[in-house]
Amino acid sequence: GAVVSQHPSWVICKSGTSVKIECRSLDFQATTMFWYRQFPKQSLMLMATSNEGSKATYEQGVEKDKFLINHASLTLSTLTVTSAHPEDSSFYICSARGLTNEKLFFGSGTQLSVL
Amino acid sequence: GESVGLHLPTLSVQEGDNSIINCAYSNSASDYFIWYKQESGKGPQFIIDIRSNMDKRQGQRVTVLLNKTVKHLSLQIAATQPGDSAVYFCAEGTGNQFYFGTGTSLTVIP
Repeated sequence: GAVVSQHPSWVICKSGTSVKIECRSLDFQATTMFWYRQFPKQSLMLMATSNEGSKATYEQGVEKDKFLINHASLTLSTLTVTSAHPEDSSFYICSARGLTNEKLFFGSGTQLSVL
Repeated sequence: GESVGLHLPTLSVQEGDNSIINCAYSNSASDYFIWYKQESGKGPQFIIDIRSNMDKRQGQRVTVLLNKTVKHLSLQIAATQPGDSAVYFCAEGTGNQFYFGTGTSLTVIP
């Protein structure tokens, strides 16, 4: 199946710093990418949907200035957690979907720990 | 987002037995459903999907059943193996939106 690469897999940062997470579709063009957040033993919570070349659509309650999403190409989307605080510590997961495939393919996730 | 929930948060089965994981969804407009498996510390892995114009779909050792009347989805795993131990999520899709249920933790007892 299609491959989605997410990087980094784990990041530890100081409070107040910004962290960028990359999501790449390796063998297909991802017209739509999704970003999720997951807390331990809980489900995936959709944060935002991004289509290549346009602004991301954020879910209710998700601060767009806090979680900056860029989808500048058909193979790359980035999520930047700005001025991270301990409450932003979580597992962040991206998924991607191509033009001809309804299936969602997921990245391996990024564990963010803010000290 | 829409509400998608699972009936059972945990499930333990004996190796070799069949497993059934259930999911209820609330959006009757959802037309696409997916089951995912997630192992600890990893991203979700696609298992099987089904469109709303179908009632049943089979894969390798897995079967998904869709009952639109009661908005219920189930995943059946035949001859469950230790490697099937994971958290299973159902997701419903409408257009460009996908929402996940709370997850069921499946434990296979050797």
